[in-house]
Parts: sequence; structure tokens; C-alpha cells
Amino acid sequence: AQSVTQLGSHVSVSEGALVLLRCNYSSSVPPYLFWYVQYPNQGLQLLLKYTSAATLVKGINGFEAEFKKSETSFHLTKPSAHMSDAAEYFCAVKGGGATNKLIFGTGTLLAVQP
Amino acid sequence: DGGITQSPKYLFRKEGQNVTLSCEQNLNHDAMYWYRQDPGQGLRLIYYSQIVNDFQKGDIAEGYSVSREKKESFPLTVTSAQKNPTAFYLCASSTIGTGKLSPLHFGNGTRLTVT
Repeated sequence: AQSVTQLGSHVSVSEGALVLLRCNYSSSVPPYLFWYVQYPNQGLQLLLKYTSAATLVKGINGFEAEFKKSETSFHLTKPSAHMSDAAEYFCAVKGGGATNKLIFGTGTLLAVQP
Repeated sequence: DGGITQSPKYLFRKEGQNVTLSCEQNLNHDAMYWYRQDPGQGLRLIYYSQIVNDFQKGDIAEGYSVSREKKESFPLTVTSAQKNPTAFYLCASSTIGTGKLSPLHFGNGTRLTVT
């Protein structure tokens, strides 16, 4: 069965500092992986997705993630945090079968300090 | 613009009452999903549907019911049997097929409070 684990429910960085949000996956098949962002009282917005085409995936708002099979990881990074990056971030893996249902991690709340 | 509309944004009900959350999409997506979000627990799948008049239980279907009479609509009913109904409910849609990787598109959610 597929699953994802997000390490750190809360992460705080200073504006301009590196953002690193961790996600490890478990999958019996080559995984499809996603990162979503959620602003307060809103739905989820897709940041980026891994489809096995390239191990380094670039997304919106300057975020990127690197797929590392040897570490079963798909960590999200951004070189320089902006105040507007403060939000909750979810890692997700595609469930098995023909559906596109996603299995989500528990989320990481990112705070950006001025 | 295409998208997913959830209504209402906030909903208040008394314990023991059934309540129906609306979800409509104009993306022409075949599949629709309902997730429940609780603080610290991420999103958990309640029900999903891949085609009209068919749907499957997700991980936490007890106390919920759905219908899919039209491709565009996938309403969720929270019944009185749901022990902890207060939560943020998110509807999503996608295309389907093992050869495709369509991400889920989400609505802006309905926050249900039951007292």
C-alpha cells in the first residue's frame, strides 16, 4: 500500500532563508508524487508533481522537489522564503489502481518570520 | 473559468440533523472525491466516484453518503450517524486512467460545525 510521511508538523524560517519540507514515501510500485499548498480556509493548490520523467521537479512560486529513490524521499525546497509562502504544505502519493485518488501526509505548517 | 464550486463555505447544524454539502465542477472530469480535513491529520478520503451512478467508499465512509446522478455534481450527506462531523470538507475532481496522471483539482471547502 502507498503512504507518505511528512517529518515536522511545524517549520519556521526567516524571510530569505532556505525552505526545506520533508516527505518520505512508501510504495510497492513506482510512485507518482505530489506537493500541494493550502492557504487558510481554502482548498489545495498543486505546487508540483513527479511523474518519473525527471528526478528534479520544478513547480510554481519558485518551489522544487527532488525524487530520491534510494532514500524514498521527495523533499520540497525553495532557496529563499517569502512572507507569502506561509501556508500548510501537503505531500501526497497516488493510490493504487485506475483511480487518481491521492493519499496525503499529515501536512507541514510553514511559518515565515520577518 | 473552469473549476470546482463548494457551497456553502460555512455550515452550522445541530447534532442529530443530516446535512448535505454541495460540490459542482465544470471541468468535465470523470472522477470526483470527498476528503475530510482535521487539524494534524491531513486529508482523509471519504468517498470517490469515477462515473455517473457509481461510487466507492474511501477510508472513512461510515456516517456519510453520496450520490452521483450527474457528471458535474457529487453531493455529500453527513448523517446523524457520523460521530464527529465537525471538520473541513474538501471536494476534488480529476480525469482518470492508469495511463494518465491528472492531479486533483480542489474546491475551496466547506467548514461544517455541529453543536
